[in-house]
Amino acid sequence: QKEVEQNSGPLSVPEGAIASLNCTYSDRGSQSFFWYRQYSGKSPELIMSIYSNGDKEDGRFTAQLNKASQYVSLLIRDSQPSDSATYLCAVKGGQGAQKLVFGQGTRLTINP
Amino acid sequence: DAGVIQSPRHEVTEMGQEVTLRCKPISGHDYLFWYRQTMMRGLELLIYFNNNVPIDDSGMPEDRFSAKMPNASFSTLKIQPSEPRDSAVYFCASHQGYTEAFFGQGTRLTVV
Repeated sequence: QKEVEQNSGPLSVPEGAIASLNCTYSDRGSQSFFWYRQYSGKSPELIMSIYSNGDKEDGRFTAQLNKASQYVSLLIRDSQPSDSATYLCAVKGGQGAQKLVFGQGTRLTINP
Repeated sequence: DAGVIQSPRHEVTEMGQEVTLRCKPISGHDYLFWYRQTMMRGLELLIYFNNNVPIDDSGMPEDRFSAKMPNASFSTLKIQPSEPRDSAVYFCASHQGYTEAFFGQGTRLTVV
């Protein structure tokens, strides 16, 4: 079992709709969770971090964490073509306290 | 701060040659990570350092790979001898404490 799993997609969403990205992780002791966005040919950049159960909102982005289910999600409201990118889920903590492990990434395309 | 700086940005080398990738983390960051990214395997953690000390090198694929961090402002990843299957984008990232990691621009390595 991979440490962090994501559906690789591609996920296609019409402009203005809500894009929903999901991630599961295997280390129940994990403490920190991140969503990175990566445009083609560029490096990953952080868009959201979440550390406790529940929702965290930042502009059009909402991260959701459920530690009991070992599940993290990212919602993008009012999707824009500029949101088209690969979204990487990253997990830190647990047995490898500062070990930052990434999922495979989900490729998201927003259709105008 | 200029961010995480990697060099070279692109490297093309012949099979069997030694390759050295370089990274300068953000000043004050005490954690440094080396990742490799390919289409097939995604973003893989190779090794990470804390205060210049290697903490987890379980992701280093084989003995041909080695990494060092002689001081807080410099790290190298060396491949000797290089093979075509080492072709990938290599990222360096750094962070301080429990904050998010920041990535360099990456080195695109092609081994022919």
